[in-house]
Amino acid sequence: AQTVTQSQPEMSVQEAETVTLSCTYDTSESDYYLFWYKQPPSRQMILVIRQEAYKQQNATENRFSVNFQKAAKSFSLKISDSQLGDAAMYFCAYRSERSGGTSYGKLTFGQGTILTVHP
Amino acid sequence: GAVVSQHPSRVICKSGTSVKIECRSLDFQATTMFWYRQFPKQSLMLMATSNEGSKATYEQGVEKDKFLINHASLTLSTLTVTSAHPEDSSFYICSASSTYEQYFGPGTRLTVT
Repeated sequence: AQTVTQSQPEMSVQEAETVTLSCTYDTSESDYYLFWYKQPPSRQMILVIRQEAYKQQNATENRFSVNFQKAAKSFSLKISDSQLGDAAMYFCAYRSERSGGTSYGKLTFGQGTILTVHP
Repeated sequence: GAVVSQHPSRVICKSGTSVKIECRSLDFQATTMFWYRQFPKQSLMLMATSNEGSKATYEQGVEKDKFLINHASLTLSTLTVTSAHPEDSSFYICSASSTYEQYFGPGTRLTVT
């Protein structure tokens, strides 16, 4: 079974600074997706960024970028120029792409990291 | 992105009664939907996978007779908490799966008194 570990229960950053959230995962599969989701106080889950395992290039979305190290099974999220609206709980998630498997399409979440942004 | 709705957003019920939560994918057909439970400041715990036209697949430790899931159409899945007890109070989230990602509903806060 796959596992996802976020070792930072809480992080804080000053507005306009950069912060990196850590995520490691364990899998024996070669085809999978990795995601970062944001859950603000409204509790609506919002997709921040997606990475396909077969792509070597790190995904980026505006101020959000990842450092995907497949061999090390590491998938960290970097938030640049942090804004007050970035304050939320962030979840790293894994999704198997093994077609027909019972776990197909299911997301495995990490424990989450609460990010506080100080003005 | 695609929109998933949940109804109701909040519900309070008395112990021993049942409550139904609806999850709808508004602008796409979802053959697979997922139901999660989340406690404050904790991660999402997958309860079950709901496939249109077939029985739901429950995760280990989830009581299938207590949490009834029905996926009657490609746009609607329902979760019924039967004979609810205070320990069932939680935040319930559904999601609908597409090829590349899951789209999440806004969640339902259930309080059992």
